[in-house]
This record gives sequence, structure tokens and C-alpha cells, in this order.
Amino acid sequence: GQQLNQSPQSMFIQEGEDVSMNCTSSSIFNTWLWYKQDPGEGPVLLIALYKAGELTSNGRLTAQFGITRKDSFLNISASIPSDVGIYFCAGPLNTGNQFYFGTGTSLTVIP
Amino acid sequence: EAQVTQNPRYLITVTGKKLTVTCSQNMNHEYMSWYRQDPGLGLRQIYYSMNVEVTDKGDVPEGYKVSRKEKRNFPLILESPSPNQTSLYFCASTPLGGGTYNEQFFGPGTRLTVL
Repeated sequence: GQQLNQSPQSMFIQEGEDVSMNCTSSSIFNTWLWYKQDPGEGPVLLIALYKAGELTSNGRLTAQFGITRKDSFLNISASIPSDVGIYFCAGPLNTGNQFYFGTGTSLTVIP
Repeated sequence: EAQVTQNPRYLITVTGKKLTVTCSQNMNHEYMSWYRQDPGLGLRQIYYSMNVEVTDKGDVPEGYKVSRKEKRNFPLILESPSPNQTSLYFCASTPLGGGTYNEQFFGPGTRLTVL
């Protein structure tokens, strides 16, 4: 099946630092989504991207839809302890209604 | 309160003993879906349903069945569970239409252990 590869797999950062993570696919996506999963919870949508090249912000989070439509990037500025969790990219393939999630990036913020 | 509910939240069972995990949403969403989450693999879609009586395979459907007799319910059935189905399962729902992607709302998860 389709694989969305995220990197890095895990990150340990100091509070206040900026974070960057990315997601790549071998197939074209027409929508890119970024979710966050807190421990013991289901994923929650952070940002949705709909056009190649689109740059969208949600507070301290900024995400970009890659121009090739095969990748996406998420940045978190000035990290805080509540940013801890697993971040997933996700989306439906261009051709159908099946939905795919990335492998996840686990973020730990050290106070 | 708008929500997706799953039951049970935790289940330990033995190989071969049929089980059903229920999922219900009160938001009148057309699209419902089941995922399993395993370390290092993210969430993988098992089955999804676009509406009542319409179901399709996701990425990892083997060993699972679903049904969509009512819009609000989307049970996941394991006819003969095996240890490799030990996982964390999530149900999700989303409305369709509007021209852009709509957010999926996730249930709280069901942690299944098959011995």
C-alpha cells in the first residue's frame, strides 16, 4: 500500500526551540493534512493544505504543501511543553477515497 | 456533545474467539473509517464507508469485516482474531461535500490484545 514517510522519526528539543519535520510520498496527493496525537488520545487535525505551494499557519504552526505534491512540511516555532506528542501527515490519494497516514514524528520538549 | 464513541476501550482475548468493536457517531457524518495504529507504522486504514451499505477496503483489510446498516454505526468485526491483530484501533467519521477536505473526528481508541 501507499507509504507516507516522515522524518525525523523522533525529536528531543529544548523548550523555546523551533521544530521542523517533513513528509514524503511516492504518489501525488491533492490534500495534505497534519494531525497531532496526544498520549492516550485520537489524532486531532492541526492544519489542512489544498494547493501545491500553499503555506498555511495556525498559531505557532506553519505547514507547506510541496510544489511536487509529493511532500509537505510542518514547522513549530518557540516550542512549549504541551507540544509533546506524535505528529502525523495524512491525506487522501489523488485518485480515490482511501486515506493514508504517515509513520509519525514523536516530539519531546524538555522544559 | 458531538463525538465518536468506541466500545470496549480495552479488550484482552484469545486467538480465534470472535469479537466486535462498536463505533458510533452522533454528527450525521457520511464517511466512517477504521484504523489500526502500530509503533513505527502510523495509522493504517482498515475499512471505510462512504455511506449506509457502502463499504470499501483500506490498506490492511485482511482478517477484518465491517458493516454499515445505519448511518451512525460502523462496527469492526474480527471473526477469528490472531496475535498479529494486537493493536490500537481508532474509528473516525467525517462529513462529505463542501468542495474541500473535511476534518475527521476520531474516537478514543480501543486497545486490543490477542493472546
